[in-house]
Amino acid sequence: KAGVTQTPRYLIKTRGQQVTLSCSPISGHRSVSWYQQTPGQGLQFLFEYFSETQRNKGNFPGRFSGRQFSNSRSEMNVSTLELGDSALYLCASSLTGLGRVIGHPYEQYFGPGTRLTVT
Amino acid sequence: GQQVMQIPQYQHVQEGEDFTTYCNSSTTLSNIQWYKQRPGGHPVFLIQLVKSGEVKKQKRLTFQFGEAKKNSSLHITATQTTDVGTYFCAGPLLNRDDKIIFGKGTRLHILP
Repeated sequence: KAGVTQTPRYLIKTRGQQVTLSCSPISGHRSVSWYQQTPGQGLQFLFEYFSETQRNKGNFPGRFSGRQFSNSRSEMNVSTLELGDSALYLCASSLTGLGRVIGHPYEQYFGPGTRLTVT
Repeated sequence: GQQVMQIPQYQHVQEGEDFTTYCNSSTTLSNIQWYKQRPGGHPVFLIQLVKSGEVKKQKRLTFQFGEAKKNSSLHITATQTTDVGTYFCAGPLLNRDDKIIFGKGTRLHILP
């Protein structure tokens, strides 16, 4: 079974630009979560999509948005890029989604990430 | 706000020595997850603990969830070079099982 794929793997943008990142989950998985990873802040939850609906959003400004398509593929968009947006952006897919079955085990499979550099 | 703290931040051990990382939450967790991220790689799910006092083993790895469900530990017996990486714990926000926060991780270096 193919794993989670993310495109592009590397991206360089300048301040003020916008960027769109793509994530294709494992076949059959309906939940896609997005995370930002930086050396200073670590791994931070951005948002989760399940069946094309955003279920939850972390503490990020409105410049960060996303969507999910009917085939469960997801995109994340960051507008008006800032230097501090430089990070590794990871998506993770799961069968049931975060908290879908409260307290029950689930597994989250991460993609290789997109390394975004803002100059 | 709710925090998940991990200690130590870094750990150097000789190959063959044991290693332990600790995870402490400011609030009770409904469950806790552990991930491993190799240098240059992405996090890989290791395990989820749900029950108070739960202990689970995966070969040389032993995971524990505290009785109060506010702390957890990962212990590796007889470390090998393949254990190199950063180990993260993660837990859901209080009363919000659908949001998750990660500890900053413990970076393990193995000295040959």
